[in-house]
Amino acid sequence: QVTLKESGPVLVKPTETLTLTCTVSGFSLSTPRMGVSWIRQPPGKALEWLGSIFSNDEKSYSTSLKSRLTISKDTSKSQVVLTMTNMDPVDTATYYCVRIDYYNYVYYFDYWGQGTLVSVSS
Amino acid sequence: SSELTQDPAVSVALGQTVRITCQGDSLRNYYASWYQQKPGQAPLLVIHGKNNRPSGIPDRFSGSSSGNTASLTITGAQAEDEADYYCNSRRDSSGYHWVFGGGTKLTVL
Repeated sequence: QVTLKESGPVLVKPTETLTLTCTVSGFSLSTPRMGVSWIRQPPGKALEWLGSIFSNDEKSYSTSLKSRLTISKDTSKSQVVLTMTNMDPVDTATYYCVRIDYYNYVYYFDYWGQGTLVSVSS
Repeated sequence: SSELTQDPAVSVALGQTVRITCQGDSLRNYYASWYQQKPGQAPLLVIHGKNNRPSGIPDRFSGSSSGNTASLTITGAQAEDEADYYCNSRRDSSGYHWVFGGGTKLTVL
């Protein structure tokens, strides 16, 4: 059974750094062509892809947020960590940890964590 | 703004067929995936690739693509299909970057 669970602070202050941890089970972070993405959703708004990390440690980031984001993984702990610097109230959102799978030349997001709502306020 | 464009809202009568569309240049090169999201829940993958349904997704959900437009069709919509639907695809070949559509709110009348 594949599960992903996000953990981290529910409230951060403006200019602070957000660190979220995703703990996965039911699959390995070293499985070829598999990866984990972070996706967020501001209240009442659309989904936004933030970044991804693959089993070979290849990483990619949203162009607009690249300077603020870092994604890393600890395969032995089955954890993926998202760091976002210089948080602003517009970053208030539910942050999802999502598995990337691959089939027939297509990548897709097949398992989603429950999400964690992060509010940015002083 | 999204690089994939969806109609904000669509409605369908119970038991009828509805098509939800998604437009964008990336769809000329990459298949869309489709996600269903109900209030207070995480998104759920319903279609990926050319027209693949994950286990547990009813066969009334299907996907298709033509040119720069991807479509999600629900044949015989049920009350439980009322939800927000998001399309998503890789952005381009310059790396593993993804984009989402703005979402379509489906109302089942």
